[in-house]
Amino acid sequence: DQQVKQNSPSLSVQEGRISILNCDYTNSMFDYFLWYKKYPAEGPTFLISISSIKDKNEDGRFTVFLNKSAKHLSLHIVPSQPGDSAVYFCATNQGGSEKLVFGKGTKLTVNP
Amino acid sequence: DTEVTQTPKHLVMGMTNKKSLKCEQHMGHRAMYWYKQKAKKPPELMFVYSYEKLSINESVPSRFSPECPNSSLLNLHLHALQPEDSALYLCASSQDHGRAYEQYFGPGTRLTVT
Repeated sequence: DQQVKQNSPSLSVQEGRISILNCDYTNSMFDYFLWYKKYPAEGPTFLISISSIKDKNEDGRFTVFLNKSAKHLSLHIVPSQPGDSAVYFCATNQGGSEKLVFGKGTKLTVNP
Repeated sequence: DTEVTQTPKHLVMGMTNKKSLKCEQHMGHRAMYWYKQKAKKPPELMFVYSYEKLSINESVPSRFSPECPNSSLLNLHLHALQPEDSALYLCASSQDHGRAYEQYFGPGTRLTVT
């Protein structure tokens, strides 16, 4: 049973517009969430994280929002750039340990 | 230096071969990880080393044998693998063990078992 769900396998947006990537989780005990970006033939690259004591964390063009009551988080990228085209994984540290549990990923394509 | 390096980039091996994957980081990180990633799937944790001691083994078959010779190096020894073990093997490291430390990934070794 998937504990971290990314229900959209792909997303396509125009350059300069906002990209919104969504992630749902099942366990209310999860309290730390991360987003990773992965280009083909490379390992995942850490983007941004958020703790459950916050509902928003911002880093440049990237903002993560956490809605604990809905068990939902989202990653906003604005403005989107063609170089942002990659697969984005949502992840959480299961049980407060160093074990990362990943969603299946969403492939973002930003069109020039 | 914020890089995790992995060698080789690609490896083809027969089911009777013995080979090793290597991972190295010089960021002073004290936790290191092996993940396995199949096509169109998320990475799945295999092993965690914390302060050079094995802290998590996700019920990985014994044909995969991890080794942490020192705090900068992590090896994965492979023996008698099956074709279904073909995958991208990712190494990662983090400053310390525990949930609050982001993991940095290497580029991976693409393994094909024939």
